Amino acid sequence: EAGVAQSPRYKIIEKRQSVAFWCNPISGHATLYWYQQILGQGPKLLIQFQNNGVVDDSQLPKDRFSAERLKGVDSTLKIQPAKLEDSAVYLCASSSDSDPGELFFGEGSRLTVL
Amino acid sequence: AQSVTQLGSHVSVSEGALVLLRCNYSSSVPPYLFWYVQYPNQGLQLLLKYTSAATLVKGINGFEAEFKKSETSFHLTKPSAHMSDAAEYFCAVSGGSYIPTFGRGTSLIVHP
Repeated sequence: EAGVAQSPRYKIIEKRQSVAFWCNPISGHATLYWYQQILGQGPKLLIQFQNNGVVDDSQLPKDRFSAERLKGVDSTLKIQPAKLEDSAVYLCASSSDSDPGELFFGEGSRLTVL
Repeated sequence: AQSVTQLGSHVSVSEGALVLLRCNYSSSVPPYLFWYVQYPNQGLQLLLKYTSAATLVKGINGFEAEFKKSETSFHLTKPSAHMSDAAEYFCAVSGGSYIPTFGRGTSLIVHP
């Protein structure tokens, strides 16, 4: 079974530029999550999708972050414009309806904002 | 609301020694509790989970954790550390929504 795929693995941009991250969850997993992991901290939930609907985006900085999951499968997280404090690893995870408590994570996309 | 406190950002043990990583939780509803492991440059992987069945939970790689409601704890243990156990360990708690809230993590260092 293929795992959660994310790209790019690494991205370096200057502040005020934009960046997009892509995630393809495990086949059949209805729920998709985006987490932000700042160095030395635990992952923080940004947004949760159930199929193509948003369940929780209360911690997403909506003035600069956006995310979509148009066909209920893969998802894109965008940051525009980026700030220095956005430097972090962006983790995508998915879970199935039969075992919603177990999240499967991708390897993450490491963003450095200069 | 749920939260997790992991005591000690770094734990150092010798190979073959007992591993003990501490986690205390706060939850307004009966919690689900998890331990995840993160190896360098990799995503998080589930080690074990408590979902209101047996209070002693066994996971992969010889790890286990015990849910103690009276102490609001869910400490992770392994009888004998191996070099390959060196990684970052995250405790997480969730309520009815199943969305886990993670602790800050504990880095396990294993000395030969």
